[in-house]
Amino acid sequence: QSVLTQPPSASGTPGQRVTISCSGSSSNIGSNTVSWYHQLPGTAPKLLIYNNDQRPSGVPDRFSGSKSGTSASLAISGLQSEDEADYHCAAWDDSLNEGLFGGGTKLTVL
Amino acid sequence: QVQLVQSGAEVRMPGASVKLSCKASGYSFTGYFMHWVRQAPGQGLEWMGWINPSRGVTNTAQKFQDRVTMTRDTAVNTAYMELSRVRGDDTAVYYCARGTYGASDFWGQGTLVTVS
Repeated sequence: QSVLTQPPSASGTPGQRVTISCSGSSSNIGSNTVSWYHQLPGTAPKLLIYNNDQRPSGVPDRFSGSKSGTSASLAISGLQSEDEADYHCAAWDDSLNEGLFGGGTKLTVL
Repeated sequence: QVQLVQSGAEVRMPGASVKLSCKASGYSFTGYFMHWVRQAPGQGLEWMGWINPSRGVTNTAQKFQDRVTMTRDTAVNTAYMELSRVRGDDTAVYYCARGTYGASDFWGQGTLVTVS
């Protein structure tokens, strides 16, 4: 069971806005930055958001991240069929002195 | 361009060891940490540890501290991760990933390790 908690699934229709949550604690999300990764089946994860809300070059501005207290969220606006993938959140944990990932959320575009 | 190229798939019997490699190119190998992350079939991502290629300092997840050894060879810009005493639940895809700003910005293609 992951220390960072994500819903196992999420869904939306094309054009819709969806959000995926990531809940942690004071020793991880509450103290450190959150990153988000996008993963298509059979491929390596790809960085989507770093430093809570920063997008690497090439990531569309339809993707946005936020953090408040011990929780973080990834929002995807203008949902597209190619957004159907697994999404993972991550943060460092100061108490464990380890990196943590959420369990992943499978996004379905209906 | 930044590339991380990992070694090919491996099959091991329970109790054996496996050593994976991750060759970096397109950036200063010693300027960024290298993380190792694994993903069991149908499961989420699991952080295993990092190595600082500059000094060879490592930080391993407690779960793996007695079985994982991370090393690097700066002459060939390659990081290695050896997992010993493998068992069935070590069957997974193992990724190396470059660390930066508290995240991992480039990932290798992954190496499938099958324990059977």
